[in-house]
Amino acid sequence: DTGVSQNPRHKITKRGQNVTFRCDPISEHNRLYWYRQTLGQGPEFLTYFQNEAQLEKSRLLSDRFSAERPKGSFSTLEIQRTEQGDSAMYLCASSLDTGADTGELFFGEGSRLTVL
Amino acid sequence: AQRVTQPEKLLSVFKGAPVELKCNYSYSGSPELFWYVQYSRQRLQLLLRHISRESIKGFTADLNKGETSFHLKKPFAQEEDSAMYYCALSLRGYQKVTFGTGTKLQVIP
Repeated sequence: DTGVSQNPRHKITKRGQNVTFRCDPISEHNRLYWYRQTLGQGPEFLTYFQNEAQLEKSRLLSDRFSAERPKGSFSTLEIQRTEQGDSAMYLCASSLDTGADTGELFFGEGSRLTVL
Repeated sequence: AQRVTQPEKLLSVFKGAPVELKCNYSYSGSPELFWYVQYSRQRLQLLLRHISRESIKGFTADLNKGETSFHLKKPFAQEEDSAMYYCALSLRGYQKVTFGTGTKLQVIP
């Protein structure tokens, strides 16, 4: 297992277009997270899944954003009608449920989105 | 709402000098605190967590509930410690992890 994999690594698109990012977590991990990071900021929580269930979505996640994890394995993050403000690094992380304690997050290398 | 504050964007220290990266949090429940690190051209990765009470790469961090702080310390900085450091918080039993804005540590040879 090579760890959390994200693709594409870079995406340049024109305003108004739709984009989709894919995340493949570490195989035995049941939790999957999406974060967004802009220059000079820390990762901002967007949403997370426990298996296939989406358990929380941030208010940052407007109606144009949708995330899925259909079979509890890989996940997709789609942004519709992109805006220049969507330009950011989109990070995926996965973790293993360890009971009450929050598990270590294992991050992917990220998908960088540039909206022209 | 839970919040993590890292007041310094950049901290420059000379090799061999002590390091303290500050982190304050706001939450009145039972938080779990973490430090994550991102070395140049590498992924964000866990450095240490308060419940483990361990030293990793010479770094330690003590949770001070009275001051709501979780500062990261190392007695003698090394050049390979140069990286971005993020303090993060989660609520026990609740899986959302909130990150601070990060501090860039620059160790000067």
